[in-house]
Amino acid sequence: GAVVSQHPSRVICKSGTSVKIECRSLDFQATTMFWYRQFPKQSLMLMATSNEGSKATYEQGVEKDKFLINHASLTLSTLTVTSAHPEDSSFYICSARDGVNHGYTFGSGTRLTVV
Amino acid sequence: QKEVEQNSGPLSVPEGAIASLNCTYSDRGSQSFFWYRQYSGKSPELIMSIYSNGDKEDGRFTAQLNKASQYVSLLIRDSQPSDSATYLCAVTAGGSYIPTFGRGTSLIVHP
Repeated sequence: GAVVSQHPSRVICKSGTSVKIECRSLDFQATTMFWYRQFPKQSLMLMATSNEGSKATYEQGVEKDKFLINHASLTLSTLTVTSAHPEDSSFYICSARDGVNHGYTFGSGTRLTVV
Repeated sequence: QKEVEQNSGPLSVPEGAIASLNCTYSDRGSQSFFWYRQYSGKSPELIMSIYSNGDKEDGRFTAQLNKASQYVSLLIRDSQPSDSATYLCAVTAGGSYIPTFGRGTSLIVHP
């Protein structure tokens, strides 16, 4: 089945620094990837839709200058949290659509802690 | 606005029983429906997808879709403690590839 690899799985960073999270589709090409954020015991919140070769589409209320998304190839999308603050601490998850089976496969998630 | 509604639960069932999880959606144009399982601290994993009215079975899982009534359900037969998790319903509308997720239903299977 479709596999999406996400790294790192866990990261701790200092306030004010930037963190890059990678999301790779391993056995299929993904023209579209999705980035979600999930706070403890809450539902998934879609942050942005990442499109290969073009600008990401951000959901209302998500700062595009703070959450930089790059989708430079059909198998890789990155999310960079810039100038991180403690309130950015969350579980970030990417997802990609498998165009063959039409399912949405999630990466394993990245738990970000900003101290 | 497209909405996907799920009872947050928790739904508690004894081991061996059938667990029934329900999901309703607001967009009549919805075409693709998915059930995901999410264990605490982990990312969601796809259990089943369904596109046509009726039932779709995969092992102990059965998805049921009724487009006229705008609901999709997931039945888990012979529930096991390892099935204890949050179950997320996701729906995509016709012409859109962006899924809308429900808030999830917490299932607890007790021995």
